[in-house]
Amino acid sequence: QSALTQPASVSGSPGQSITISCTGTTSDVGGYNYVSWYQQHPGKAPKLIIYDVTNRPSGVSNRFSGSKSGSTASLTISGLQTEDEADYYCNSYTTSSTHVVFGGGTKLTVL
Amino acid sequence: QVQLVESGGGLVKPGGSLRLSCAASGFTFSDYYMSWIRQAPGKGLEWVSYISGSDNIIYYADSVKGRFTISRDNAKNSLYLQLNSLRAEDTAVYYCARTAGVKLRPYYGMSVWGQGTTVTVSS
Repeated sequence: QSALTQPASVSGSPGQSITISCTGTTSDVGGYNYVSWYQQHPGKAPKLIIYDVTNRPSGVSNRFSGSKSGSTASLTISGLQTEDEADYYCNSYTTSSTHVVFGGGTKLTVL
Repeated sequence: QVQLVESGGGLVKPGGSLRLSCAASGFTFSDYYMSWIRQAPGKGLEWVSYISGSDNIIYYADSVKGRFTISRDNAKNSLYLQLNSLRAEDTAVYYCARTAGVKLRPYYGMSVWGQGTTVTVSS
């Protein structure tokens, strides 16, 4: 199955806001509200930060927010902090036989 | 506390087999869908397989279909992944993960992850 499309890298300065996109098709992102986002620091397991497009699990900072327009989902991080530097992955339901697909990942650098 | 601990990784030759295990604790294991996700060195996450709490619903990624088998033993609170006909491209850290909510499928979100176990396929 084809991975969802994410930019390879984004960067921002402390205090700024950044947005990471996740582009799919009507068979996945565009057709269903089952988009989740994960944060992964080097050498660590991924952490769920957004589920069902816009919802934050308990304990996740409200600086993280999710949205969707058409077949593109977005993760916005406001008030960037140095500890936000990590890799970010989107994930979605897909009508393909596999049911689940990840994006290729985006490396966030906080300058 | 809620915890997942993977084991069973190692070095195996191409064409060989390996069985990964994931021991769960701190929650009612049989209530949750469980998944395996892998990450090749320097690469992104790749979902591998998921299984329902009662193991009657199973899905695989196309890249492993026919070679890998997911299973679970609810009496032992354990998840397994049998890896057969291994290839160099199967080299990765393999994570097990639990869905965020009871009876919810993985695409609703996976909120509990293990630390991963490393599989290296090389001659």
